Amino acid sequence: QSALTQPPSASGTPGQRVTLSCSGGTSNLGRHTVNWYQVLPGTAPKLLIHTTDQRPSGVPDRFSGSKSGTSASLVISGLQSDDEADYYCAAWDDSLDAHVFGTGTEVTVL
Amino acid sequence: QVQLQESGPGLVKASETLSLTCSVSGNSIGSDNFYWSWVRHPPGKGLEWIGYIYYSGATYYNPSLQSRAILSMETSKNQFSLQLTSVTAADTAVYFCARVTYKYDDGGNPLAEYFQFWGPGSLVTVSS
Repeated sequence: QSALTQPPSASGTPGQRVTLSCSGGTSNLGRHTVNWYQVLPGTAPKLLIHTTDQRPSGVPDRFSGSKSGTSASLVISGLQSDDEADYYCAAWDDSLDAHVFGTGTEVTVL
Repeated sequence: QVQLQESGPGLVKASETLSLTCSVSGNSIGSDNFYWSWVRHPPGKGLEWIGYIYYSGATYYNPSLQSRAILSMETSKNQFSLQLTSVTAADTAVYFCARVTYKYDDGGNPLAEYFQFWGPGSLVTVSS
């Protein structure tokens, strides 16, 4: 059971806007920045968003991140078929004294 | 271009020690700008952080692993390693090594910490 909770699945049609949520607490998202990773089947995680809302070089601007209090969101605008993947949020947790990953959301493009 | 590559046995017997090495190119692990880390992904489950090793050799571990994890580094080879002792079937996973970027403010408070570059992963299966 992770300190960061994500809905297990989300879906949308091509071109649609999809919002993924990440719910935490005062010991993690309430105090620290959040990062998002995309995991395609059989591949290593890819950093999608860091420091809550920063996109690394090469990540399309269709991906955006935000945080409010103890919750964070990742928005995929203009959903594409190759966005089908698992998405994990992550942050440091002061209570667990560990870097924690969310439970993950599987995104399906209909 | 930073590249990481895991290597090690793909099969380990229960109660024995899992050993993996991460070879890094494009970045010296002796640089003080980054941490070097291990993360694992058990089949059907989520990602789990194992620990960090700093350029100085200092280490920081996930308490959930109950002191079974040992990280070390060999700067002359630009490699760092993971040993996980007393393994069980629950340790079966794909193991990733990663470079961690971190930033602190002037007061030493963390501003950011993220896994920027990853190796392709190494599947380790624990057999009974």
